[in-house]
This record gives sequence, structure tokens and C-alpha cells, in this order.
Amino acid sequence: GESVGLHLPTLSVQEGDNSIINCAYSNSASDYFIWYKQESGKGPQFIIDIRSNMDKRQGQRVTVLLNKTVKHLSLQIAATQPGDSAVYFCAGHTGKLIFGQGTTLQVKP
Amino acid sequence: NAGVTQTPKFQVLKTGQSMTLQCAQDMNHEYMSWYRQDPGMGLRLIHYSVGAGITDQGEVPNGYNVSRSTTEDFPLRLLSAAPSQTSVYFCASSFARTQYFGPGTRLLVL
Repeated sequence: GESVGLHLPTLSVQEGDNSIINCAYSNSASDYFIWYKQESGKGPQFIIDIRSNMDKRQGQRVTVLLNKTVKHLSLQIAATQPGDSAVYFCAGHTGKLIFGQGTTLQVKP
Repeated sequence: NAGVTQTPKFQVLKTGQSMTLQCAQDMNHEYMSWYRQDPGMGLRLIHYSVGAGITDQGEVPNGYNVSRSTTEDFPLRLLSAAPSQTSVYFCASSFARTQYFGPGTRLLVL
């Protein structure tokens, strides 16, 4: 079946450094992908999405890269801040959203 | 706008009891959905609705019922609670590709 998975359950970075969170997917028919941020005790919050016909999309301090050849996408966060500490999910859309398991980002002061 | 609201925030049930998790949105979104989130797992789709009067099953629908009588409300019913339904439940409404999630209901079934 289709799946979306994250490579690392936990990522620890120093404040001010760049963070890269990776995600792999199995279904080539996904028409877009979304990254969500979930803070403790809250629901997921939309960060950025990318259509499957794009390779890169930039937002404020975030960039998503999509490599369809190896079915991989990544979320890059520039100048990581303590407020970025959260669980990050990628999700692929193929009629419905399929979520990955989440990567916990820990930001060290 | 309040966005997506969910009640209750926390609930404890005994096996076999029934209950309804409430979800409401004030953004006039047609698409609404229910997910459950278990430790170490991503969100899994239970049921969804593309508009009032229309509902459909997601990945894990067994043991849950939904109805959509209005655009604003999308309640989730547990017919006979089981310990396997212990989870955090999120309701979401969508516009285009953006989903807006509620704060969640934490359910414990003993």
C-alpha cells in the first residue's frame, strides 16, 4: 500500500543552525505534499505545500525540496529557533492525505 | 473566527460505552475530516465529508460513525468503545490544499 515515512524520529540542532527534515514516499501518484508542524498538546499546523510538478518551494524561513526520482522530500528550516521545536509531519495527497510518522525537532539553546 | 473547535478536550470511557466527539468550524469549509493519532504514528483518516449530507470512510472507519447535517458540524460517534480506540482525535476542515486542525480530543477507554 501507499506509505509516507520520515527518516529520523528525532533531530537535535543548535539554535541558529539550519534544520533538514527528510521524508520518503511510495506513491508516485501523489499530486501534492504538505508539511505540518505539531506543537505539544495542539493540532497539526500547515507549514508549506508543494505540487508534484515542482522541485522546490520557499516560504518564510522554510524550503521544501521534492525529488521525484528517488521519491523523497525534505523540509529545510533556516536559522532554527526555539519556537521551531515540535513534531514535523509530511503528508502526501492521493485522493486523501497519508501522513508520515513524524520527526521530533529539538532545538538546543 | 474561532476556526475548528472540538469538545470535549479529554474523556474517559469504560469499554462498551458510547459517546460523541463534537467538531465545529466557522470558516464555511465544505470538506471536513476526522483523524486519530496514536503514539509513534502519523494521523490516520477515520471518516471524511465533502459537504453537508455526504460522508465517506477513510483508512480506519470501523467502530465509528459520522453524520454531516450542516456545513459547520461534523460529529464523530463511538458506538461501543473499546480500549483500542484510546487515542487522540483530531477534526479538520479544508479549503483548497490547506487543512485546519482542531486542538484534539484525548480519549481513554478503560
